[in-house]
Amino acid sequence: DAKTTQPPSMDCAEGRAANLPCNHSTISGNEYVYWYRQIHSQGPQYIIHGLKNNETNEMASLIITEDRKSSTLILPHATLRDTAVYYCIVSGWSGAGSYQLTFGKGTKLSVIP
Amino acid sequence: DGGITQSPKYLFRKEGQNVTLSCEQNLNHDAMYWYRQDPGQGLRLIYYSQIVNDFQKGDIAEGYSVSREKKESFPLTVTSAQKNPTAFYLCASSIKGRTSGFWNTGELFFGEGSRLTVL
Repeated sequence: DAKTTQPPSMDCAEGRAANLPCNHSTISGNEYVYWYRQIHSQGPQYIIHGLKNNETNEMASLIITEDRKSSTLILPHATLRDTAVYYCIVSGWSGAGSYQLTFGKGTKLSVIP
Repeated sequence: DGGITQSPKYLFRKEGQNVTLSCEQNLNHDAMYWYRQDPGQGLRLIYYSQIVNDFQKGDIAEGYSVSREKKESFPLTVTSAQKNPTAFYLCASSIKGRTSGFWNTGELFFGEGSRLTVL
């Protein structure tokens, strides 16, 4: 799977949009971009995923650049409950029979009152 | 409600003892996974299983063993061979499928985790 690069930490004011960047310059054509988040001492929670087109659901929006080498997760109106570690993951068929999602250190988002 | 249940939530073990962490899902998912998380770190894959009676090693399988006798269950045993077992263990499951011509891992559903401490 392609590797991803995320900033280690970010702050966002409550009520403002949080924009979390992710670089995945080695992504291949059949790999999806996934976003998860982990609130302290809990299991990670799926947020959204996409292949080429921008995606939106009730939690967030995912913007993928046209060359697919980077993406941005947008939380439109951040709340204190959005404080968590956010993981950007790229994954697809490895050819070896695996479906591994590799979770790096992610971005620690702190929403400030 | 459907979901993944891990037990116990907290577990203490003496050195040299084997312990088994339970993971049960009622989501009818084909694939199940075990991850390990150390403080301030990401998740590392221990074992995964895509079908009953079959499982594959992940990145850090040494000192661990698993079984998949039923679709709903994927227990993890931390053996005495695991040199540094104190960690947060997470179980997950997903649908295995093919979407639009590409393999897609699908969404991973995680349990609440089991925190193992070796005394």
